[in-house]
Amino acid sequence: NAGVMQNPRHLVRRRGQEARLRCSPMKGHSHVYWYRQLPEEGLKFMVYLQKENIIDESGMPKERFSAEFPKEGPSILRIQQVVRGDSAAYFCASSLTNTRGGSGANVLTFGAGSRLTVL
Amino acid sequence: KNQVEQSPQSLIILEGKNCTLQCNYTVSPFSNLRWYKQDTGRGPVSLTIMTFSENTKSNGRYTATLDADTKQSSLHITASQLSDSASYICVVSAKRGSTLGRLYFGRGTQLTVWP
Repeated sequence: NAGVMQNPRHLVRRRGQEARLRCSPMKGHSHVYWYRQLPEEGLKFMVYLQKENIIDESGMPKERFSAEFPKEGPSILRIQQVVRGDSAAYFCASSLTNTRGGSGANVLTFGAGSRLTVL
Repeated sequence: KNQVEQSPQSLIILEGKNCTLQCNYTVSPFSNLRWYKQDTGRGPVSLTIMTFSENTKSNGRYTATLDADTKQSSLHITASQLSDSASYICVVSAKRGSTLGRLYFGRGTQLTVWP
């Protein structure tokens, strides 16, 4: 099991360009979460998706950001018309279930992150 | 407001020594609390997960405690090793019906272990 795979690991974009970050969850996991981590800050929730559905996008900026998790293929976090403030590490996590409690099934497994730098 | 506060912000200890990291939270209603280890340039890795009814949970040299009444948790590391140098993140989950709900992340404690 390769774990949660994110690519690219590093991405450089100029202001106004588009950034696409990909996340392949662990095998068998159908719940995907995206987080953003600014330098010296904690991880901030952005969006939670289940196959083909956005369950909770309350942490996503209203404009320029979108996410999808198609039936086939990885989850994509898309940032249009990037600005310098979008520079951050974007982490994807996946889980087997989304049920409350302490069972290991809802432990999040994180990817190594994608570091976006906007020039 | 749901918050997770960690202390100290950073900590330096000598190899072989013990240390304790603190986490205070105001997240309500509480579901569970997790400690993650994040190495520089890597994603967080789960160390422990504790529910309301659990007071202590160990994972090797890591021991987490939880006091749900005072809303405090600690992570104790014994006989530290150089590889323990990392950021340790406290994450609290709020109940939202039957779902995992929102996770609230602390900013982490940056631990450095010196030889």
